[in-house]
Amino acid sequence: GEDVEQSLFLSVREGDSSVINCTYTDSSSTYLYWYKQEPGAGLQLLTYIFSNMDMKQDQRLTVLLNKKDKHLSLRIADTQTGDSAIYFCAESIWNTDKLIFGTGTRLQVFP
Amino acid sequence: DTAVSQTPKYLVTQMGNDKSIKCEQNLGHDTMYWYKQDSKKFLKIMFSYNNKELIINETVPNRFSPKSPDKAHLNLHINSLELGDSAVYFCASSQTSGTHNEQFFGPGTRLTVL
Repeated sequence: GEDVEQSLFLSVREGDSSVINCTYTDSSSTYLYWYKQEPGAGLQLLTYIFSNMDMKQDQRLTVLLNKKDKHLSLRIADTQTGDSAIYFCAESIWNTDKLIFGTGTRLQVFP
Repeated sequence: DTAVSQTPKYLVTQMGNDKSIKCEQNLGHDTMYWYKQDSKKFLKIMFSYNNKELIINETVPNRFSPKSPDKAHLNLHINSLELGDSAVYFCASSQTSGTHNEQFFGPGTRLTVL
């Protein structure tokens, strides 16, 4: 089945690290993505990881993938107020054009 | 030089009316999508077109009819609007290459049905 779950809310202090978690069910996923949605805007791709990797780092972002447990996480180092947004993980379904999006995690960063 | 654009940004209408939302992408992508985002921010795919051909139709009521006049445009027409159609509708496009599917999203159209 196709089901992607995320916790709904995360609140962190400015300067701390944020970790947003995601679990998925489709074992045929080839790529997994993290998108950011700011208020009143569309989704913007932040980063992605191929399913045969277990880690990818891109500046302040670190993606960890545990394929055995079907668990994906996004760590944001030195979180800033501008990072406040909704974060969606998504999995691509093999041999289709579909992306299945998670339920979204609202990250709130306070001073 | 907006990559994926949608019009209108806001649409307020009465139940029972027919309305259209337009989408255009200037990225040269082959595939375009429509998504619906509900009030809880849950994002669900509705349709996908590849080179003007319907690829994905996710059990959407047939009151919704996508139309792709060319591969740069994918419009969404909705007949007999219902209260439950109120949502934000996002258009997206991608250049699918095998299994990597990086999608670029438009800014969204907020539809309110009264």
